[in-house]
Amino acid sequence: GQNIDQPTEMTATEGAIVQINCTYQTSGFNGLFWYQQHAGEAPTFLSYNVLDGLEEKGRFSSFLSRSKGYSYLLLKELQMKDSASYLCAVRDSNYQLIWGAGTKLIIKP
Amino acid sequence: ETGVTQTPRHLVMGMTNKKSLKCEQHLGHNAMYWYKQSAKKPLELMFVYNFKEQTENNSVPSRFSPECPNSSHLFLHLHTLQPEDSALYLCASSQDPGGDGANVLTFGAGSRLTVL
Repeated sequence: GQNIDQPTEMTATEGAIVQINCTYQTSGFNGLFWYQQHAGEAPTFLSYNVLDGLEEKGRFSSFLSRSKGYSYLLLKELQMKDSASYLCAVRDSNYQLIWGAGTKLIIKP
Repeated sequence: ETGVTQTPRHLVMGMTNKKSLKCEQHLGHNAMYWYKQSAKKPLELMFVYNFKEQTENNSVPSRFSPECPNSSHLFLHLHTLQPEDSALYLCASSQDPGGDGANVLTFGAGSRLTVL
């Protein structure tokens, strides 16, 4: 079966750096997505990786290794507003999105 | 505001009630989706509409009935639900459901459904 694994919950300190990992086993690969979801709000798109390597976008970066079935989302200079759930999703060979259960990130002052 | 609006935001219903969830997108997208989000579980895709035509139904029970009258509006009609159907129901839209390219989903804030 297809599977996406990410930690259930992580805690980090304001101003620090945190890395949220995502590993996947899917039938084919056509891209990996990260979404952010604040409590009670809509998930919003953060990043899309289809080739190996690091994509940087401000304080957020996303890395992909297709050979390892692995991605991470790196958040720098953490702010309290970064407290949210982070959802990893992979698009398989049928262009279906396979979702992880999400990582709840708690930022402490 | 994401450009995808869902109403109502909260709904409590009994198992014998009939209710509907509404979704409207102002983004000019061609595809619309219903997802179910339960605590600590991955998003579950329920239905996909592309240019008003249903292209996916992921073995969803018939007590959930979707309707897509045009590319901007999507409904989910609810009838004789079970307590295990209590969840957050998310609507999303995208430019193109298939093919290459990112095809990013834009989500609404969801309708929180509680079935008593």
